[in-house]
Amino acid sequence: GDSVTQMEGPVTLSEEAFLTINCTYTATGYPSLFWYVQYPGEGLQLLLKATKADDKGSNKGFEATYRKETTSFHLEKGSVQVSDSAVYFCALNRGGSEKLVFGKGTKLTVNP
Amino acid sequence: NAGVTQTPKFRVLKTGQSMTLLCAQDMNHEYMYWYRQDPGMGLRLIHYSVGEGTTAKGEVPDGYNVSRLKKQNFLLGLESAAPSQTSVYFCASSYETSGSLWGYEQYFGPGTRLTVT
Repeated sequence: GDSVTQMEGPVTLSEEAFLTINCTYTATGYPSLFWYVQYPGEGLQLLLKATKADDKGSNKGFEATYRKETTSFHLEKGSVQVSDSAVYFCALNRGGSEKLVFGKGTKLTVNP
Repeated sequence: NAGVTQTPKFRVLKTGQSMTLLCAQDMNHEYMYWYRQDPGMGLRLIHYSVGEGTTAKGEVPDGYNVSRLKKQNFLLGLESAAPSQTSVYFCASSYETSGSLWGYEQYFGPGTRLTVT
């Protein structure tokens, strides 16, 4: 079945450091890929998405590129801020399926 | 647009008590979902609905029931609460995905923190 694997956390960085959170997936066909973010005490919010191979999703300085050849959708940000501290979830949705498949989440803490 | 709202935000139950969580969305979405979030487990799908009057089981449906009598509302019921149901519950909704070449994102509510003692 479909699955998403993302790097185990927690990840702790200093402000202005470079961030990478790895995400790989297994799915039939050509799923859409998503990154969601969950700030403390809140629900999940869509951060960015990509719907086909080589698409790059971007938002709030975060980027992720849909790599079909490596089945990956790694999240990157060039310079993190304290306000980026949150849990990040990678997810996929196979076209025509009702469900999202989530990774287990990666907790990011950014220290000043 | 309020988006997806959940009632209540917090609740404490004793073992064996029952309760209903309410989810409402004002985006005219066809699909609605209930998840639970536990430390180290990510999000797990409890039940979902692909339209008014329909429901389906997700990954962890035991101990829960749901109803979708109106398109905008999705209720999650616990008939006899157990400590293992202590969790944060999230509701989500999305546009209809069947027949689409690509998936649609889900929109999440703020969550309900439930403690069963």
